[in-house]
Amino acid sequence: DAGITQSPRYKITETGRQVTLMCHQTWSHSYMFWYRQDLGHGLRLIYYSAAADITDKGEVPDGYVVSRSKTENFPLTLESATRSQTSVYFCASSGLDSEAFFGQGTRLTVV
Amino acid sequence: RKEVEQDPGPFNVPEGATVAFNCTYSNSASQSFFWYRQDCRKEPKLLMSVYSSGNEDGRFTAQLNRASQYISLLIRDSKLSDSATYLCVVNMAPGGKLIFGQGTELSVKP
Repeated sequence: DAGITQSPRYKITETGRQVTLMCHQTWSHSYMFWYRQDLGHGLRLIYYSAAADITDKGEVPDGYVVSRSKTENFPLTLESATRSQTSVYFCASSGLDSEAFFGQGTRLTVV
Repeated sequence: RKEVEQDPGPFNVPEGATVAFNCTYSNSASQSFFWYRQDCRKEPKLLMSVYSSGNEDGRFTAQLNRASQYISLLIRDSKLSDSATYLCVVNMAPGGKLIFGQGTELSVKP
């Protein structure tokens, strides 16, 4: 099916563990984004990518790592999870100067 | 200064009211502008793109003022189903990153 999918949808992990959130899109969009949304806050950009092998920091990149070896995939890794990283994470993709389409989100809890 | 700023909410309005949201952006080179809607922390969905000439989609009208660097969204004849959070989104040039405003919550009451 065409679209953008995130996995897992829900994740509970322990402080200090490494966790990877997956994002896959089937449109061959150039741009991909990772956002986090905390209760009562808007979406804050963590990292984005303009093409395969090109990534750049957003507003809140600390504690996160991304890679984009293939156009369709944009995984986000929390190297050593902290409680402050408990959040809802959204992945999105877009073409050049066009609207973004979002995945359904991953609800991550760090205990 | 935040790159994209929106009116603080929440907006509580009766059915049938007209409500307007404003959003300002800091990068004068920005090329693309959008309004998204988000329900209950689900994924945001595109409401409408914003063009320089202004555009309308049914009860919704979006305007762009490049000189003052703000965009607006007008909702006429509000419905209960319009209750949601409205997000202003700006494509920051160069580089193509999409920056969201913090969102404005709208609650339409009977």
